[in-house]
Amino acid sequence: EAGVAQSPRYKIIEKRQSVAFWCNPISGHATLYWYQQILGQGPKLLIQFQNNGVVDDSQLPKDRFSAERLKGVDSTLKIQPAKLEDSAVYLCASSLEPLKTQYFGPGTRLLVL
Amino acid sequence: AQRVTQPEKLLSVFKGAPVELKCNYSYSGSPELFWYVQYSRQRLQLLLRHISRESIKGFTADLNKGETSFHLKKPFAQEEDSAMYYCALKGQGAQKLVFGQGTRLTINP
Repeated sequence: EAGVAQSPRYKIIEKRQSVAFWCNPISGHATLYWYQQILGQGPKLLIQFQNNGVVDDSQLPKDRFSAERLKGVDSTLKIQPAKLEDSAVYLCASSLEPLKTQYFGPGTRLLVL
Repeated sequence: AQRVTQPEKLLSVFKGAPVELKCNYSYSGSPELFWYVQYSRQRLQLLLRHISRESIKGFTADLNKGETSFHLKKPFAQEEDSAMYYCALKGQGAQKLVFGQGTRLTINP
């Protein structure tokens, strides 16, 4: 089975610019997660979707971050405007159901200069 | 609050030696604990979960509620065990995973 796909794999932008990341979960997986992993730290959940509804976005900096999963399949995560401290790897994961095993994508490495 | 602590950022052992990666957690209820692994140039993947009580690639982990620990152990390390290991917690009835900072394990030949 195909795994979680993410693009782009790498992105370099200047501060105050905008950036968007895309995630395609494993087919049939209803639950989708976006994590932020800063260098030297473990992944931190930003937002969780169940189909196209948000379950948990308590750690999403909503003044600059937004995410959507309009048709309950693919998802995009946007940062506008980016700050230096947003430099991180952004991981997408999906699971069949909320309490089932999460499968991770390869991540998008973002560098904000 | 839920918290996972992995006290060692780096751990280096020789091939054939025993390995123990430490994980301590803070949670007032009954948590579910996991170990995730990321090999070089590969994705983060689930290694094992405490409710399964199984050994994966020779690794085992026992949940010790008294010490609030979930240490990962392997009696004889192999070079292919070199990777980044993350301990993670899910609260009772919760859906969110909380990760520790990770331990980079290096197995020396």
